[in-house]
Amino acid sequence: AQTVTQSQPEMSVQEAETVTLSCTYDTSENNYYLFWYKQPPSRQMILVIRQEAYKQQNATENRFSVNFQKAAKSFSLKISDSQLGDTAMYFCAFSWYSGAGSYQLTFGKGTKLSVIP
Amino acid sequence: GAGVSQSPSNKVTEKGKDVELRCDPISGHTALYWYRQSLGQGLEFLIYFQGNSAPDKSGLPSDRFSAERTGGSVSTLTIQRTQQEDSAVYLCASSIRVAQNIQYFGAGTRLSVL
Repeated sequence: AQTVTQSQPEMSVQEAETVTLSCTYDTSENNYYLFWYKQPPSRQMILVIRQEAYKQQNATENRFSVNFQKAAKSFSLKISDSQLGDTAMYFCAFSWYSGAGSYQLTFGKGTKLSVIP
Repeated sequence: GAGVSQSPSNKVTEKGKDVELRCDPISGHTALYWYRQSLGQGLEFLIYFQGNSAPDKSGLPSDRFSAERTGGSVSTLTIQRTQQEDSAVYLCASSIRVAQNIQYFGAGTRLSVL
């Protein structure tokens, strides 16, 4: 079974500062994908960043970057120059080919990030 | 449409009633997923559609839950004889094809069973 663990239920950061959210996962799969999703109070899950496990280079999207350590099964998210609009729940998610054509996502329990003015 | 649309946004029902939740995926997206987000929990997978067929129903928690998809587009999740533990946010996601593996989510339906 695949599991995703987010050990920080809540975090806060000052506006314009940098924050890192932690995520570890457990799997016996070799080919898989990792994601960070953001869920603001509107409830809509928004894709922040995606990493393919076979790629060694860490993914980046503007102020968002990841530190992917495949051997350690770690996938942390760094948010630089934090903005008030970054306040949200952040979910780490894992996806693999589970058979029958499905790439279902397995999610961690989330980290609630508050950006303080 | 521009994004994944779910209706209703909120649904309050009485224990024992049946409910239907609707998902309208992004136009052209062949893969469709339903997830459930319970209070204080992450999301759990319910069912996956490729076109109109549901090859993966492994996440449905009981036989009170069923889903269908017609015309390769709109999907309906039905919960029969609702129980209080069914109270949750039900999220739908679609992707243009399975191999691309980026799922786009709707805003969900918040179901409250009294």
